[in-house]
Amino acid sequence: AQTVTQSQPEMSVQEAETVTLSCTYDTSESDYYLFWYKQPPSRQMILVIRQEAYKQQNATENRFSVNFQKAAKSFSLKISDSQLGDAAMYFCAYRGNTGTASKLTFGTGTRLQVTL
Amino acid sequence: DAGITQSPRHKVTETGTPVTLRCHQTENHRYMYWYRQDPGHGLRLIHYSYGVKDTDKGEVSDGYSVSRSKTEDFLLTLESATSSQTSVYFCAISLTGGVNTEAFFGQGTRLTVV
Repeated sequence: AQTVTQSQPEMSVQEAETVTLSCTYDTSESDYYLFWYKQPPSRQMILVIRQEAYKQQNATENRFSVNFQKAAKSFSLKISDSQLGDAAMYFCAYRGNTGTASKLTFGTGTRLQVTL
Repeated sequence: DAGITQSPRHKVTETGTPVTLRCHQTENHRYMYWYRQDPGHGLRLIHYSYGVKDTDKGEVSDGYSVSRSKTEDFLLTLESATSSQTSVYFCAISLTGGVNTEAFFGQGTRLTVV
């Protein structure tokens, strides 16, 4: 079974600074996707960024980028120029091809605090 | 925003009572999922559906049942609610079961069992 580990329960960053959230995963599959979801206090799950395992190039979406190390099974999220609106819970998730439906497996989450 | 509506949004119920949560989608997506979110556990899959009347168990399915009689509706039932089922429940939908298909989430239902 696939597992996703987020070892940082809480992180803090000052506004305009850069922060990196860590995520490691375990799988024996070769075809999979990795995701970062943001959950603000509204509880809505918002997709921030995704990475296909076959792509060597790291995904980037505006201020959000990932460092995908496939051999190390590591998938960290970097947030540049942090803003107050970035404060939220962030979940790393894995989606593979096993079974009838490709189910998402989530990490336990990292709560990000943004300070002035 | 994807057309996903969960109802109710909040519910308080007593131990031992049956509870049904509803997920309604207007996207005609084939796959639907129920997750529960608990502190320290992230989101964990309860049950999922890959078509009308086609459902299967997730990793935390004990005490839960589901039904899908129409493409747009996926119901989660707690036959006899327990305090351990106090949680936030999320419905998600996906057009296909493919690994590259994005999943969209509902707003969540906060269930408290007293």
